[in-house]
Amino acid sequence: EAGVAQSPRYKIIEKRQSVAFWCNPISGHATLYWYQQILGQGPKLLIQFQNNGVVDDSQLPKDRFSAERLKGVDSTLKIQPAKLEDSAVYLCASSPGIILVEQFFGPGTRLTVL
Amino acid sequence: DAKTTQPPSMDCAEGRAANLPCNHSTISGNEYVYWYRQIHSQGPQYIIHGLKNNETNEMASLIITEDRKSSTLILPHATLRDTAVYYCIVRFPSGNTPLVFGKGTRLSVIA
Repeated sequence: EAGVAQSPRYKIIEKRQSVAFWCNPISGHATLYWYQQILGQGPKLLIQFQNNGVVDDSQLPKDRFSAERLKGVDSTLKIQPAKLEDSAVYLCASSPGIILVEQFFGPGTRLTVL
Repeated sequence: DAKTTQPPSMDCAEGRAANLPCNHSTISGNEYVYWYRQIHSQGPQYIIHGLKNNETNEMASLIITEDRKSSTLILPHATLRDTAVYYCIVRFPSGNTPLVFGKGTRLSVIA
């Protein structure tokens, strides 16, 4: 089966610019996660969706980050305006929401803010 | 915060067993131990999980101590492709529980 798809794979922007990332989860997976991974650290959850509803966005910097999951399938994560400290890899993961079934991760988008 | 403690790095000779330790002294009775790994420039990949019994699959074996306060991931015959960061995660088995990652152990397999 196809895995989690993300685009773009790389993005370089100037600070204060806007950027958007796209994620297509595995077909049929109800739960979708966005994680932020700063260099040298483990991934950190930004937001979790169950179908098209937000389950947890407590760690999302809402003054500049936004995310949506239209129709409970694809999702986009946006940063506006970007700061230098937003430089990181943004990982999307999905799971079917079934107990003891693992999460599947996409390859990530590497963002560099200059 | 992550509820696990892992050494920051380890080396292993190719073809030998790699034994990666993890301490989780505050684990609760219903929490499972999960292992993921992240190869350079890729997303994390699930390896194995367990509650209290030892587990084995095609990738690795998981040994959990009787008191469940620590565990060891074993890669029986490490190859260069096993070079990665390995994360030990403690979590409830709900299908919707997010993963809380620590810094993991960077395993370098040396030829």
